[in-house]
Amino acid sequence: DTAVSQTPKYLVTQMGNDKSIKCEQNLGHDTMYWYKQDSKKFLKIMFSYNNKELIINETVPNRFSPKSPDKAHLNLHINSLELGDSAVYFCASSQETTGDDTQYFGPGTRLTVL
Amino acid sequence: AQSVTQPDIHITVSEGASLELRCNYSYGATPYLFWYVQSPGQGLQLLLKYFSGDTLVQGIKGFEAEFKRSQSSFNLRKPSVHWSDAAEYFCAVGERTYKYIFGTGTRLKVLA
Repeated sequence: DTAVSQTPKYLVTQMGNDKSIKCEQNLGHDTMYWYKQDSKKFLKIMFSYNNKELIINETVPNRFSPKSPDKAHLNLHINSLELGDSAVYFCASSQETTGDDTQYFGPGTRLTVL
Repeated sequence: AQSVTQPDIHITVSEGASLELRCNYSYGATPYLFWYVQSPGQGLQLLLKYFSGDTLVQGIKGFEAEFKRSQSSFNLRKPSVHWSDAAEYFCAVGERTYKYIFGTGTRLKVLA
């Protein structure tokens, strides 16, 4: 059973398009995250949601909009894609209420903007 | 400000040799510390974590790490490296405000 899953795994698109990446976790966790990994493998958090409420928004452009329809899903919508958005995007989840901060990561979505 | 430093960008070891990957952190309180591994084209897998208690923690795949508060370090070790250990290794500091700060990673190459 996949704990944290993302779709699609690869996404190739043109500049200016709008695209979405979906994330689902079946761990029963209450907190979900989006991270961006750039070409140098640097990982940086973008957003965090706890019980569907936005907790962290790390100075990400307004073109990025996370949506959490329920605790098990956190989708990332990107408008007007730019070349610099090319990266690998990771979703993660954790259960904050237990005091265990361990985050479990999905397999990643490689976004290529042409 | 909190930060994590992995001084070695690349490390090459021979199969069967011992391994130590360095991680230093800057944090105001007792940190939550993690090591993750990313195999080529894969997501991040948790190797081990430290929250409190015994400063030597055991993880999966034969890895261990030692928390040294006086040196602000959390180095990852393995006594005998296998070719399948070739990957990118990330150290991370956890904050209670729901986010991790990751180091820049160390790429491990294993020679046959």
